[in-house]
Formats: sequence, structure tokens, C-alpha cells
Amino acid sequence: GAVVSQHPSWVICKSGTSVKIECRSLDFQATTMFWYRQFPKQSLMLMATSNEGSKATYEQGVEKDKFLINHASLTLSTLTVTSAHPEDSSFYICSAIDDTAGGYTFGSGTRLTVV
Amino acid sequence: GNSVTQMEGPVTLSEEAFLTINCTYTATGYPSLFWYVQYPGEGLQLLLKATKADDKGSNKGFEATYRKETTSFHLEKGSVQVSDSAVYFCALKAAGYSTLTFGKGTMLLVSP
Repeated sequence: GAVVSQHPSWVICKSGTSVKIECRSLDFQATTMFWYRQFPKQSLMLMATSNEGSKATYEQGVEKDKFLINHASLTLSTLTVTSAHPEDSSFYICSAIDDTAGGYTFGSGTRLTVV
Repeated sequence: GNSVTQMEGPVTLSEEAFLTINCTYTATGYPSLFWYVQYPGEGLQLLLKATKADDKGSNKGFEATYRKETTSFHLEKGSVQVSDSAVYFCALKAAGYSTLTFGKGTMLLVSP
């Protein structure tokens, strides 16, 4: 079945540094991917929709200069948290739509801790 | 707009008990409906889905029926196991949209 690999699964970084999270579709092409943020015991908050070859569409209230999204190929989208601060600590999850089958597949998530 | 409302948890059950997690939705047109499961520290896995009214999605003993008249998609399982302990999310995809709209999630805790 469709598999999305998200890497790293966890990362600890210092305040002020940047962190890149990769989301890769392993056995299908994905023109569209999504990035979510999940706070403890809460639902998923859609941050942005990432489209291959074009600029991401950010949800209201999400800082596009802080959360940089790049979707340079049909199998890879990256989320870079720039100048990270402790309040950026969260669980980030990506999702991809299979261009052929149409299903949504989620990555296993990345636990970001900023110290 | 589109929205999903599901019962708050946690739902605490003993093994082999019957499970129901309620989910109702508001959407324009005829959405597709989904249940996802999230185990601790992991992403979401699709549990089941239904794309039109009266469809029943089923998987691993779980089932849910798309009820248009009551705008509901309640999740049920006849006999839960400890391994079913997780957070369950109801979601919809409205016609013409590519994004999923999620409910807040319901934590299920099953004790031996």
C-alpha cells in the first residue's frame, strides 16, 4: 500500500536554529501534500497545502516566513522551521494524496522540541 | 463551512465491551467520510471510509455507516481489545475540496 516516510521522527534543537522535516512518498506520486501541527491531546491543525512546483498555500494565522515549505518533486515535500523557539515545540505530521489512487496517506510524525 | 463533531473522551472500556464513538458532520454537498486511528507517538492510519450515503465502511472489526439523514458516521466495534487503545479521528472531505476536516479526536482506553 501507499507509504509516506517522514523524517526525522524526533528532533531536539536549540532556540534560534532551523530544523528541516522531510515528507517523502515512497511508492506513489503526490502532487499535493499537507502539513499539520498537533498539540498534546488536540486535533490536527492544518498548517499549509503544498503543491509540487508552486508556492504552498498557508492557513490563516500560520507564518509563511517561519514555516518554509518546499515541494520540489512529486515525491518530496519539506517543512523548515526557521529560527525555532520553544513555542514551536510540537508534533508535526505530513500527509500526501496519491495522484493515481486518490487516497490520503499520513507520515508517522515528527516530534520537535526546542530548548 | 465544513465541520466535524465527535464525542469527547476519554472513553474507558473493559476488554470485549461494545464500542460506539459518535461523529456528526456539517458539509456542503455530499462529502466523503473517514475514521482515522492514531497510536501514541505515531501518525494517522486510515481505519475505514465511506463515500456515499448508506455506505458502510469496515475494517478490523470496526464499522461505520454513512447516514445522510442524520449527518452521522458513528464508529462501532462489537468487542474491543486492549490493542485498540488509541485516539480516533472522524474526518470529512467535502466535494470540491482537497483538504480533510478533522474532529477533535476521541481517546479510547481499553483495560484488560
